[in-house]
Amino acid sequence: NAGVTQTPKFRILKIGQSMTLQCTQDMNHNYMYWYRQDPGMGLKLIYYSVGAGITDKGEVPNGYNVSRSTTEDFPLRLELAAPSQTSVYFCASSYSGAGNQPQHFGDGTRLSIL
Amino acid sequence: RKEVEQDPGPFNVPEGATVAFNCTYSNSASQSFFWYRQDCRKEPKLLMSVYSSGNEDGRFTAQLNRASQYISLLIRDSKLSDSATYLCVVNEAKTSYDKVIFGPGTSLSVIP
Repeated sequence: NAGVTQTPKFRILKIGQSMTLQCTQDMNHNYMYWYRQDPGMGLKLIYYSVGAGITDKGEVPNGYNVSRSTTEDFPLRLELAAPSQTSVYFCASSYSGAGNQPQHFGDGTRLSIL
Repeated sequence: RKEVEQDPGPFNVPEGATVAFNCTYSNSASQSFFWYRQDCRKEPKLLMSVYSSGNEDGRFTAQLNRASQYISLLIRDSKLSDSATYLCVVNEAKTSYDKVIFGPGTSLSVIP
C-alpha cells in the first residue's frame, strides 16, 4: 500500500533556483492538498485540487504553482526560491467532498533555501 | 476569532494519567471532525474521527458538543508512546469543495 508518495524527501536549494516537489497517490482520491509546516507551527494550506484539471489557492499560495493533469499526480512548483520558503512540505489526499473523509499524508519533503 | 483553536500546551503528564484536550471551532455549519496525531518531524496521521454521539477507541475517547462548538479528546492510562502533538481538524464541507481546517495542535509529553 503506497498511499501518498512524495519526492524528494530532502532538498537544499540556493536562492533564486526553482524546483518541483512531486506528489502521487494510488488511492484514486479526488482531492489533493499541499501544506507547509514551519518549525513549531501548524499546517498552512498552499493549494488544493478537487479533481484533475481543477486547482485553487489556499491560505499561503504566493511563490508557488500547481497543476493537476491526472488524478494521481499533484506537483508543487517553486519558481524563485526564497529563504522564507524553507519549510517541511506535506502533500495529502482524500476521497471526496462527502464531508467525512479524512486526509492521508505523505512523508513530507524537507526543503532548505540558502 | 480563529477558525480552529487549541491550547498549545505543552501538557506534561506522568505515565498512567488521564489527560484531556479541547478544541473550539468558529463555524457552526462545520460538518465533520477528526483528531490527528503528529510525531516530531513526521507527517500527521489520523487518530480518530469524531461522531456526534461520541466515540471511543481503546484508551481514546472523542466527544463533540455542537451547541458550544467544541470537540474533545480524552486519553486514559497515558503511555510514553502517546507523546506527540494532537491536531484538531474541522471540515466545513461546502457545496463544491471541502474546506478542511487544521488546528495548531496541542503538545503532549508523557513522563516516566
